[in-house]
Amino acid sequence: GDSVTQMEGPVTLSEEAFLTINCTYTATGYPSLFWYVQYPGEGLQLLLKATKADDKGSNKGFEATYRKETTSFHLEKGSVQVSDSAVYFCALSDFSGYSTLTFGKGTMLLVSP
Amino acid sequence: GAGVSQSPSNKVTEKGKDVELRCDPISGHTALYWYRQSLGQGLEFLIYFQGNSAPDKSGLPSDRFSAERTGGSVSTLTIQRTQQEDSAVYLCASSLAARGSDTGELFFGEGSRLTVL
Repeated sequence: GDSVTQMEGPVTLSEEAFLTINCTYTATGYPSLFWYVQYPGEGLQLLLKATKADDKGSNKGFEATYRKETTSFHLEKGSVQVSDSAVYFCALSDFSGYSTLTFGKGTMLLVSP
Repeated sequence: GAGVSQSPSNKVTEKGKDVELRCDPISGHTALYWYRQSLGQGLEFLIYFQGNSAPDKSGLPSDRFSAERTGGSVSTLTIQRTQQEDSAVYLCASSLAARGSDTGELFFGEGSRLTVL
């Protein structure tokens, strides 16, 4: 079955540091890939997505590139802010019939001033 | 409302009691999903509705769990004879999903935190 593996947290960074959160996946076919973010006290919301190989999703300074050869979708940001502190979830959807997403376990990011 | 609404936001119950969790999706969203978020376990898929029917119930962990959706809108997740391992945050999401044709974006509610004592 489909699965998503992402690095365990928490990831602790100082403001303006470079961020990478690793995500790899296992899926049949060619899934779409997503990063969702959950800010404290809020529901999950879509951060970015990529629907085919070599696509780059980007939003709010975050980027992730769909790498089919390494089955990866690592999340990066060049300069994090305190307001980026949240839990980040990598997910995939293979659209075999509907949009049920398979999520990773989440990575907590803590950014200090 | 503009987003997915879930109630109650917090529920504390005693082992063996039944609980009902409610989800009100975004108006017009035909697809509705329930997930469970446990500490250290990520998000676990429970059940998916397309309209009022549930083509995929594969994630329901036991027959104590059931869900229904009426009028293509509100959904209720019921847990009977709750156990301590049922303690988790239950998340509801909705989407404009049509079979294989949408972008895969789900819109989540803030969740219902269930604590079973």
